[in-house]
Amino acid sequence: AQTVTQSQPEMSVQEAETVTLSCTYDTSENNYYLFWYKQPPSRQMILVIRQEAYKQQNATENRFSVNFQKAAKSFSLKISDSQLGDTAMYFCAFISRSGATNKLIFGTGTLLAVQP
Amino acid sequence: DAGVIQSPRHEVTEMGQEVTLRCKPISGHNSLFWYRQTMMRGLELLIYFNNNVPIDDSGMPEDRFSAKMPNASFSTLKIQPSEPRDSAVYFCASSSLSGTGGDTQYFGPGTRLTVL
Repeated sequence: AQTVTQSQPEMSVQEAETVTLSCTYDTSENNYYLFWYKQPPSRQMILVIRQEAYKQQNATENRFSVNFQKAAKSFSLKISDSQLGDTAMYFCAFISRSGATNKLIFGTGTLLAVQP
Repeated sequence: DAGVIQSPRHEVTEMGQEVTLRCKPISGHNSLFWYRQTMMRGLELLIYFNNNVPIDDSGMPEDRFSAKMPNASFSTLKIQPSEPRDSAVYFCASSSLSGTGGDTQYFGPGTRLTVL
């Protein structure tokens, strides 16, 4: 069974600085997607970034980028130039691309506070 | 483009009452998911549908919960009778499931349910 682990329950960063959130996962599959979702105080679950496992190049979306290490089963999120609006809970998630299953496996989340 | 639409956004009810949550998925998506989020248990998948057919309802807590998807553009999650421990945020999400497996799930804004 696949599992997703986020070992940092809370983190804090100063505005304009860079922060990295950690995520590790366990799977025996070779074809899958990984995601980072953001949940601000409004509770909306917002897709931040997606990584396809067969792509070696790390995904980037503006100030957000990932460090995808497939062999190590690691998928960290880097937020550059942190902004107050980045304050949120961040969830790492995994989904298999190897069959009919469509279940998204979430980590327990990291609460990020951006300080002014 | 309209995202996933959920109604109501907030629901306050008394124990024993019936509650119906509604969801309209993104047009063209063929998979729909119901999640529940609580402080104690985090994000839990309750049930998901592919092409309007329930595929996995193993997360449905008990017989008091039921979900339907009568057509590709509408789903309901019903709780009857409701109990205080059902208080949570309920999310609906949708995605496209192809023959090669799961894909990105897009979430609605959620319904915050309070059962008194």
